[in-house]
This record gives sequence, C-alpha cells and structure tokens, in this order.
Amino acid sequence: TQLLEQSPQFLSIQEGENLTVYCNSSSVFSSLQWYRQEPGEGPVLLVTVVTGGEVKKLKRLTFQFGDARKDSSLHITAAQPGDTGLYLCAGVEGGGSNYKLTFGKGTLLTVNP
Amino acid sequence: NAGVMQNPRHLVRRRGQEARLRCSPVKGHSHVYWYRQLPEEGLKFMVYLQKENIIDESGMPKERFSAEFPKEGPSILRIQQVVRGDSAAYFCASSPRRTGDNSPLHFGNGTRLTVT
Repeated sequence: TQLLEQSPQFLSIQEGENLTVYCNSSSVFSSLQWYRQEPGEGPVLLVTVVTGGEVKKLKRLTFQFGDARKDSSLHITAAQPGDTGLYLCAGVEGGGSNYKLTFGKGTLLTVNP
Repeated sequence: NAGVMQNPRHLVRRRGQEARLRCSPVKGHSHVYWYRQLPEEGLKFMVYLQKENIIDESGMPKERFSAEFPKEGPSILRIQQVVRGDSAAYFCASSPRRTGDNSPLHFGNGTRLTVT
C-alpha cells in the first residue's frame, strides 16, 4: 500500500506570512494532486503535477513535484484568511489502478487576520 | 451546471439499522467513486463504478457494504447493520473519464453518517 505523509499536520500563521507544506512518500506516483477542503464540504482540486521537477503556479500558490515523483510541496506567499482550510495531497497510482487516489491526512491551515 | 450532489448531508442511524447514501454525479459523468473519511484520517478509496458495473471494490469492506450505479438514477452506497465504527464522512466523486487519465475528480459535499 502506498502512503503519503503530510507535514505539518497543523499550521497557524498570521495574514501576510509565507508558508510551505509538504507531502512525502517512499513510493513513486504517476501524478500528484493537491486539494483544498473546507469544513462541511468536499475536496476541491487545486492542481495536478505530472512530470518530475514540475513547478506550477496558481496565483499566490506554488506547487512543486519532486524529481523522483515521490514528494511534493505547496508554498503560499502572503497568506490570507481565505486560504484557511485543509490541504490534501493525493497520489495517483500507476499501472492498471491509475484511477485510485491515495490521500494524505492533510495539513490544516489557519490564517489569522 | 450542478456539481456532484449527495444526500442526505447528515444521516443518523442506530446500530443494526441500514444506511443508504445517494450520489448524483455531474451531468454527463459516467464514472463514480466513493471515498470514506474517518476522523483524523485521510480519504480512503472504497469503490469505483461505471454505469451498471462495479470496476473495483477493493477498498470496500467485504461484509455489510455494497454499491451500485444503475443505468438510471443515482449511485447508492448501502451499509447494512451499521456499527459505530461506520461513523464517518462518505464522499462521492465523479469524472467524465477514468480519473488518472488527466481527468480530475469532482467531489460532492459528502454524507456524514453518525451511528448511535
């Protein structure tokens, strides 16, 4: 079973600060997705990274996929209260089961005004 | 343009009762996935269905749990004789093609099952 470890588990910062959260695995994934989940709602896809070393930017969010496709990071610049939520990474298994997502437990981010 | 609709949003059942969770995918999506989110744990894959077919149920407990996605109507996740350990948020997701083929999942807002 492939596992994804996310760190930190909890993060509380002030508005305007920068932060990075991490998603690590000992296994290789064919691609990796980042989601944000707000209380009482389902996860919403932010980005998919596919190529080792790939960097994608979404406004103030920067996503990076490790060269070996085993880990990823999410960096948020000048965090805002609206960024508060649970950030989940999910790896797509390769081969015949490439529809299964393996989720990490998430990083719960709180941005205080 | 409605997203994935799940109902009920909250469901309370006593031990031993049956729980039926419904999911209507995004219009035009023929692939449905059920995931379970337990407190303090990540989302876990349960089952993948296409219209009238179960493709992969490897994440679903062998007993008491079943899922279907009929030709007409919503997908149903059925839990018989519920136990307290079944208390969780159950999320349905859909995609137009098999996810992983650059076809992202669209999640519903989940059904929160509480077993008393």
